[in-house]
Amino acid sequence: DIQMTQSPSSLSASVGDRVTVTCRASHSISSSLHWYQQKPGKAPRLLIYGASSLQSGVPSRFSGSGSGTDFTLTISSLQPEDFATYYCQQGYGTPRTFGQGTKVEIK
Amino acid sequence: QVQLVQSGVEVKKPGASVKVSCKASGYTFTSYYIHWVRQAPGQGLEWMGVINPSGAGTTYAQKFQGRVTMTRDTSTSTVYMELFSLRSEDTAVYYCARVASSTCFDYWGQGTLVTVSS
Repeated sequence: DIQMTQSPSSLSASVGDRVTVTCRASHSISSSLHWYQQKPGKAPRLLIYGASSLQSGVPSRFSGSGSGTDFTLTISSLQPEDFATYYCQQGYGTPRTFGQGTKVEIK
Repeated sequence: QVQLVQSGVEVKKPGASVKVSCKASGYTFTSYYIHWVRQAPGQGLEWMGVINPSGAGTTYAQKFQGRVTMTRDTSTSTVYMELFSLRSEDTAVYYCARVASSTCFDYWGQGTLVTVSS
């Protein structure tokens, strides 16, 4: 199985801050890496697919980069509605696997 | 618009089984695989398996092999996930999700809470 490791597991940030979350795969997954946002009591929402493509309707302050084993999700200027948990997921192999999540909290 | 609508809350006793439904609309049902993902309280996302609504082929996570069955009904555009021999550790929200050609999950159901308790 491909293991996905996110860091940090949580972070505190202020509105307007630049936030970066990293995700590392145990094997190369090319660009088959996707990012989701989840708020309490809600289903996950797709933000970024194929490592760097912005899903329709997602604000441009979200961006993704990376390939192979190392990937990054960046929020350029954190907004109040961005406080949530973020997950990476690999679509390269079966079973599909997720990172453990990064909770972004208000400082 | 694309929608995946799941069945409601379930409360089950240990040893019982549960069948969760996921009704698709707004797209060609047989053109997109459907995956099932679960989330225990306060925990992360766990992939359970996938069904091809066209040919009904399935692949299950090894952890659930022999304990889960995924089926579909093309006449109602509905997929089902049945989990057997429930234990307390199966208490979770169960999600269905559609997979896009890029292998991401682009649409999700609203989730179904399954509680297993004696």
